[in-house]
Amino acid sequence: AQTVTQSQPEMSVQEAETVTLSCTYDTSESNYYLFWYKQPPSRQMILVIRQEAYKQQNATENRFSVNFQKAAKSFSLKISDSQLGDTAMYFCAFMKHLTSGTYKYIFGTGTRLKVLA
Amino acid sequence: ETGVTQSPTHLIKTRGQQVTLRCSSQSGHNTVSWYQQALGQGPQFIFQYYREEENGRGNFPPRFSGLQFPNYSSELNVNALELDDSALYLCASSLTPRTGLTDTQYFGPGTRLTVL
Repeated sequence: AQTVTQSQPEMSVQEAETVTLSCTYDTSESNYYLFWYKQPPSRQMILVIRQEAYKQQNATENRFSVNFQKAAKSFSLKISDSQLGDTAMYFCAFMKHLTSGTYKYIFGTGTRLKVLA
Repeated sequence: ETGVTQSPTHLIKTRGQQVTLRCSSQSGHNTVSWYQQALGQGPQFIFQYYREEENGRGNFPPRFSGLQFPNYSSELNVNALELDDSALYLCASSLTPRTGLTDTQYFGPGTRLTVL
């Protein structure tokens, strides 16, 4: 069964510093997608970044980048130049195919990130 | 482009009652998925609807049911509410093309359900 593990329940970082959030997953599939979502106190789940497993190049979105290690089944998120608005719960998610041909997400338990002024 | 919306924002029910939660998909999306997020946990997949039919289901009992309408809006119905049903319920819409995989899921703000 596919699982997603986020081993850091809480982290903090000083404003303007860099922080890395860890995520590991387990799957026997060869082609899949991975995501990082951000959930601020407002509860809205916001897509941060997505990575296709067949792409060797790590995805980057402005201050957010990933370190995707397919063999190790690791998918960490790096936030550079941290801002107060980055304070949120961050969820790593794995896209699991359904037999119907579409897919569902399997989420980790989340990492609560606090950016300190 | 209109985002995913959900109603109501908050809801309080008592054990044994029934509840209906609503979701309006993002414009152009034809697939909706529902997730339950207990406090301090990651979202858990309930089920997915595509072309008005259930398209996949997680480990939830039959008292959790849903509908998808021709305009791609959706409802989540829960019968015989239990205390453990207290959670944030998220819907997510996506576009399933005629061939290939669905695109990224976009989430609504959620409905906070409290069962007393």
